[in-house]
Amino acid sequence: EPEVTQTPSHQVTQMGQEVILRCVPISNHLYFYWYRQILGQKVEFLVSFYNNEISEKSEIFDDQFSVERPDGSNFTLKIRSTKLEDSAMYFCASGERESSYEQYFGPGTRLTVT
Amino acid sequence: GENVEQHPSTLSVQEGDSAVIKCTYSDSASNYFPWYKQELGKRPQLIIDIRSNVGEKKDQRIAVTLNKTAKHFSLHITETQPEDSAVYFCAAKDLDNQGGKLIFGQGTELSVKP
Repeated sequence: EPEVTQTPSHQVTQMGQEVILRCVPISNHLYFYWYRQILGQKVEFLVSFYNNEISEKSEIFDDQFSVERPDGSNFTLKIRSTKLEDSAMYFCASGERESSYEQYFGPGTRLTVT
Repeated sequence: GENVEQHPSTLSVQEGDSAVIKCTYSDSASNYFPWYKQELGKRPQLIIDIRSNVGEKKDQRIAVTLNKTAKHFSLHITETQPEDSAVYFCAAKDLDNQGGKLIFGQGTELSVKP
């Protein structure tokens, strides 16, 4: 069964550094998402992406964040200048079509900002 | 803003007993309600979902009920087993919103004691 994959599984970075988190959605999916989960808390929506543009973004997704689909397979989340509070598990998800209900989640990237 | 409240935050049951987790949502436009199971350190996985045109849905030991008027939906697990132990998240989504974001509840840590 196809799965969403994410790399790296764990990223440690210093405050102020840029990080890029990578995701490979399921190949025929058209809708892409990033969520984050701070340790022990709920999963929070960051951004959705469709047709090469952002569909919706949350208040968390400020100017420090950006997303890109640089080729036909990867979907990336960039944090330009990381803060301590960016430490979290970041999940990528993808969905097949607009009326598709299910979002398939990747295994997550644990980002630790020191 | 959109919000999903989930209760209880922790739930401990004996093997074989039933477990019930409840959620309420605020956005009247929500019309899709999935439940995710997250084992420690792993990705959220969809276990059951319900659309707003249905009041109840069952899949083996798992059932979900929806009360649109009250904006409540619940997860019912019967004959619980130790492998049901995990964190369960409810979520809500507006299928008519192209962004398609999921709004998650705070999670319920279910512990099934043998």
